[in-house]
Amino acid sequence: DIQMTQSPSSLSASVGDRVTITCRASQSISSYLNWYQQKPGKAPKLLIYAASSLQSGVPSRFSGSGSGTDFTLTISSLQPEDFAGYYCQQSYSTPRTFGQGTKLEIK
Amino acid sequence: QVQLVESGGGVVQPGGSLRLSCAASGFTFSSYGMHWVRQAPGKGLEWVAFIRDDGSTKYYADSVKGRFTISRDISKNTLYLQMSSLSAEDTAVYFCVGESSSRAFDHWGQGTLVTVSS
Repeated sequence: DIQMTQSPSSLSASVGDRVTITCRASQSISSYLNWYQQKPGKAPKLLIYAASSLQSGVPSRFSGSGSGTDFTLTISSLQPEDFAGYYCQQSYSTPRTFGQGTKLEIK
Repeated sequence: QVQLVESGGGVVQPGGSLRLSCAASGFTFSSYGMHWVRQAPGKGLEWVAFIRDDGSTKYYADSVKGRFTISRDISKNTLYLQMSSLSAEDTAVYFCVGESSSRAFDHWGQGTLVTVSS
């Protein structure tokens, strides 16, 4: 199985900050990497697919990059509604493994 | 609009069984590969099982293999997860998820809570 390692596991930031979350795969997954946002008590929401494609309706302050084993999710200017959990997921093979998650908190 | 509505969760005793259902609408269910993903209280997301759009292929996480069975009824636009030999480690919110042609999980249900407790 492909292991996904996210960092950091938690992050404190302020409104307006630029933040980056990283995700590393245990083997090359090409660009088969997705990012999700999850708010408490809610289902996850797809933000980025295929490493860098923005899902329809997602604000352009979210962006993704990377290929192979190393990937990043960047939020260019944090908004109050962005404080949530974030997960990466590989879709290169089954099982579709997730990273352990990053909790983004208000500083 | 796209809807995935899970049902069937609840409290079950260790060793017991439960069947989850997920009713799909607003998209072409028969064209989507479907998954179950779970999330234990306060924990991260764990992929559980997958069924191909035509039902011909199924995969399971090692943690549930031999105990859980995923199935689908195209005529009813419904996905199922039959769970047996449940233990406390299976306590979680179970999400029904549709995978797009881009191999991303773009359709999620609201989740149904399964609690395994005596």
